[in-house]
Amino acid sequence: KAGVTQTPRYLIKTRGQQVTLSCSPISGHRSVSWYQQTPGQGLQFLFEYFSETQRNKGNFPGRFSGRQFSNSRSEMNVSTLELGDSALYLCASSSRDTSTDTQYFGPGTRLTVL
Amino acid sequence: GQQVMQIPQYQHVQEGEDFTTYCNSSTTLSNIQWYKQRPGGHPVFLIQLVKSGEVKKQKRLTFQFGEAKKNSSLHITATQTTDVGTYFCAKPGAGSYQLTFGKGTKLSVIP
Repeated sequence: KAGVTQTPRYLIKTRGQQVTLSCSPISGHRSVSWYQQTPGQGLQFLFEYFSETQRNKGNFPGRFSGRQFSNSRSEMNVSTLELGDSALYLCASSSRDTSTDTQYFGPGTRLTVL
Repeated sequence: GQQVMQIPQYQHVQEGEDFTTYCNSSTTLSNIQWYKQRPGGHPVFLIQLVKSGEVKKQKRLTFQFGEAKKNSSLHITATQTTDVGTYFCAKPGAGSYQLTFGKGTKLSVIP
């Protein structure tokens, strides 16, 4: 099976702009979670989507949003970008049909906000 | 939210030496997972521990879950340069498919 794919891999934006990141989960996986990774805060959960519905949300401002499509692909959007939004954004997929919460991560999108 | 504390933050070892990272929670955990992230890479699932006192081995890696299910450790015997990376523990968050990660232990191996 192909792994989790994320596009784009690198992105440079300026403050105030908005950005959309895309994630395609492993075939058959219906759960997609998003994480933000920074040197200071580490890996932080953003939100999880399952069957096109947001199931869980982390402690991030409303500027961070997402959605999931019927084919399980997911997008996350960050509006009104701030310098502190510079980070590696990781998407992870899970089958959600077992007792394990194992997350399979994609390579990430490196976002730089200037 | 509820944190999971991981120590040490950094560890430099000579190749061939052993390495251990520890993870502690203030609350009882239903399970704990371990991930490895190579430099420039993404986290890769290593193992999940569920039972009290559980010990699992993967070649030179030994994972333990404490009797009280509040702490866990990862021990690497005779480190190799391929072990370089950051090792994270992660616990289930408020939602069952939400993970709360420790800050990680960055392992450097000096050849």
